[in-house]
Amino acid sequence: KQEVTQIPAALSVPEGENLVLNCSFTDSAIYNLQWFRQDPGKGLTSLLLIQSSQREQTSGRLNASLDKSSGRSTLYIAASQPGDSATYLCAIRGPSYQLIWGAGTKLIIKP
Amino acid sequence: NAGVTQTPKFRVLKTGQSMTLLCAQDMNHEYMYWYRQDPGMGLRLIHYSVGEGTTAKGEVPDGYNVSRLKKQNFLLGLESAAPSQTSVYFCASSQGQGTGYEQYFGPGTRLTVT
Repeated sequence: KQEVTQIPAALSVPEGENLVLNCSFTDSAIYNLQWFRQDPGKGLTSLLLIQSSQREQTSGRLNASLDKSSGRSTLYIAASQPGDSATYLCAIRGPSYQLIWGAGTKLIIKP
Repeated sequence: NAGVTQTPKFRVLKTGQSMTLLCAQDMNHEYMYWYRQDPGMGLRLIHYSVGEGTTAKGEVPDGYNVSRLKKQNFLLGLESAAPSQTSVYFCASSQGQGTGYEQYFGPGTRLTVT
């Protein structure tokens, strides 16, 4: 059974720093991996989707990587801003087509 | 184009009461999903629908029922609410279920059962 883990559960960094969020999974048989952002009282917003055949995806200051052999994905945020404060979730799509979710990392960017 | 909307945003129920959560999407998506999110856990799939008139069980379906009478609406029902059903409920929709299709989420419904 696929399990998705995100460590740490919470992270606080000063504004301007580059940071990395981690997502690990137990079964390498995945179709894709998505990173989402969740703001309080709002829905989830998809940030990046990496297909199983891809190694990374980039969008603006965000870069997500995927290493299936080691069961890891990272979300790199460059030059962090207070507006980046949110909970970041990763989700795996496997053969059943259902999404398996991590519990998220709550990120706080201090001005 | 409102995307995915959920009604209500907040609700407090007493144990044993029933209620229905409404999800609506205006993107003509075939697939719709209901998830619950509990503290310290990832989202878990309750039920989903692959088209009008069809529904299927997800990971945690017990205690919930769903209906998809219209393509744009997906209803989640709690017949006899229990404190264990206190959670934030998210609805999502997607155009397809293949690897290239993203799910679009509503803002969530915070349900407390006392």
